[in-house]
Amino acid sequence: AQKVTQAQTEISVVEKEDVTLDCVYETRDTTYYLFWYKQPPSGELVFLIRRNSFDEQNEISGRYSWNFQKSTSSFNFTITASQVVDSAVYFCALSGGDSWGKLQFGAGTQVVVTP
Amino acid sequence: NAGVTQTPKFQVLKTGQSMTLQCAQDMNHEYMSWYRQDPGMGLRLIHYSVGAGITDQGEVPNGYNVSRSTTEDFPLRLLSAAPSQTSVYFCASSRTGGRLEFGEGSWLTVV
Repeated sequence: AQKVTQAQTEISVVEKEDVTLDCVYETRDTTYYLFWYKQPPSGELVFLIRRNSFDEQNEISGRYSWNFQKSTSSFNFTITASQVVDSAVYFCALSGGDSWGKLQFGAGTQVVVTP
Repeated sequence: NAGVTQTPKFQVLKTGQSMTLQCAQDMNHEYMSWYRQDPGMGLRLIHYSVGAGITDQGEVPNGYNVSRSTTEDFPLRLLSAAPSQTSVYFCASSRTGGRLEFGEGSWLTVV
């Protein structure tokens, strides 16, 4: 069975602070994919990143960065110099290699950025 | 390019009523799926499809039916609505190896 754990329910920061969101996953698949999605207050789901299990390189995209560590089954997400527009719920999700289109989501982390 | 289109966006049902949430995609994606989102629980998979004529159950399928007669459409049917089905519903589609594209969501209240 697959499982995604986002232990942080809510994180509150002041603008320009860095925020790190934790994601721990469980899977028996040797090939799998990890995702992060953002859900702003308007409710839509916005794709942020996809990483496959064979690619452990960390990635930086603007103010966003991701740290994938297979040894600890973690795929953490950092927002550098947070902005009010970063306020949203962030979901980590997992898909097995032979079950494309089926995502197992974590419960989500609410990020609140205040001016 | 419309992407994934869900209708209706908002719906109020009485217990026992039936309804269909419509989902259509114009990207020729083979994979389509329905999720429900409840507070504190993330999104949970209801049903999914790997192509026209092929559907399977997800984590929470009870009370819902689906069919996939075409690549483009994947309707979700509630046969006899219950208050426990009050939720936000998201339809998604993807191609093999691609990211899931989500619709804007459908807010359903069962009273």
